[in-house]
Amino acid sequence: DIQMTQSPASLSASLGETVTIECLASEDIYSNLAWYQQKPGKSPQLLIYYANSLNDGVPSRFSGSGSGTQYSLKINSLQSEDVSIYFCQQNYDSPFTFGSGTKLEIK
Amino acid sequence: EVQLVESGGGLVQPGRSMKLSCAASGFTFNNYDMAWVCQAPKKGLEWVATISYDGSSTYYRDSVKGRFTISRDNAKSTLYLQMDSLRSEDTATYYCARHTTALGFDYWGQGVMVTVSS
Repeated sequence: DIQMTQSPASLSASLGETVTIECLASEDIYSNLAWYQQKPGKSPQLLIYYANSLNDGVPSRFSGSGSGTQYSLKINSLQSEDVSIYFCQQNYDSPFTFGSGTKLEIK
Repeated sequence: EVQLVESGGGLVQPGRSMKLSCAASGFTFNNYDMAWVCQAPKKGLEWVATISYDGSSTYYRDSVKGRFTISRDNAKSTLYLQMDSLRSEDTATYYCARHTTALGFDYWGQGVMVTVSS
């Protein structure tokens, strides 16, 4: 199974700051990496697919990058509505594994 | 507008069975693979199973193989998850999701809670 190691587990930042979340796959997943946002009490929503493609309707302050085994999600100009848990997920091979999540809070 | 609406959750005793349903609308259901993803209370997301667009192929995580069965009725635009021999560790919110090779899980339902307890 492909293991997804996500860091940090939690993050606190001020409004307007830029934050980065990392995800490391245990083997090459050839950019088959998605990022999801889960707001409190809600279902997850797809933010980024294929490592760097922004899903429809997602604000441009979100961006994804990476290749091989290393990937990252960057959020520019942090807004209050970005308070969420963020998950990475490899879509390369079954079982389709998720990272453990990063809880983002506002300072 | 894509909508996925789960039903069928609740409280069930260990060793018993439960069947979840997911009614889909707003897209051509029989063109897409579909999946179930679960989330234990205060925990992360775990993929459970995926079924191909025509139902010919199914994939499961190891911990549910032989106990859970994913199926679909394309005429009714409905996805199912038959859960047998339930264990306390199956307690979670179960989400129905559209699963595409390129995007991942691009649409999710609101989730349905399954509690396995005596």
